[in-house]
Amino acid sequence: GQQVQQSPASLVLQEGENAELQCNFSSTATQLQWFYQSPGGSLVSLLSNPSGTKHTGRLTSTTVTKERRSSLHISSSQTTDSGTYLCATGGYKVVFGSGTRLLVSP
Amino acid sequence: GGIITQTPKFLIGQEGQKLTLKCQQNFNHDTMYWYRQDSGKGLRLIYYSITENDLQKGDLSEGYDASREKKSSFSLTVTSAQKNEMAVFLCASSRDWGSSAETLYFGSGTRLTVL
Repeated sequence: GQQVQQSPASLVLQEGENAELQCNFSSTATQLQWFYQSPGGSLVSLLSNPSGTKHTGRLTSTTVTKERRSSLHISSSQTTDSGTYLCATGGYKVVFGSGTRLLVSP
Repeated sequence: GGIITQTPKFLIGQEGQKLTLKCQQNFNHDTMYWYRQDSGKGLRLIYYSITENDLQKGDLSEGYDASREKKSSFSLTVTSAQKNEMAVFLCASSRDWGSSAETLYFGSGTRLTVL
């Protein structure tokens, strides 16, 4: 079945630095999304990007479908960006990666 | 807008007990999901349902049963609770995950503790 690997497992930044998160998946699908989970909170979708490049605010995602990888770039990180970032892909069977825990210190 | 309601928020059971978690959504979504999240880890799919009365096993279905008798509700039963099962169970729904305009909406979770 679909396997999703995320790296790094954790990342510590100073406020203002940029973050680069990676997601590798075993097979292509029509959908790939990045989610954010605040500490102790529920999950919310950040953006959908099954192929190409998409921007929203300080977030940029690039998905190279034939190489089965996606990245999420966070520019000028803020302390409020701290939390866990997960990518998810698949058809009806939606599979998540194990996430990247981001800590942004002031 | 809509909401996904999971009950109870906290569930404490004894080892070996049968426990049921409930999920209701008012989005009128066809597809619903149950995930388990262990502390500090990602989400693992237990069961999903494409439509009313449909059930599909995820990667972690052993030890669990599910039921989708109505479009709006999806319940999960832990058939025999184990101490290593302490986790947060998340319910989600989607209208059409395959469309880039759609997403998964999540409930706030049920935290299971097994004594």
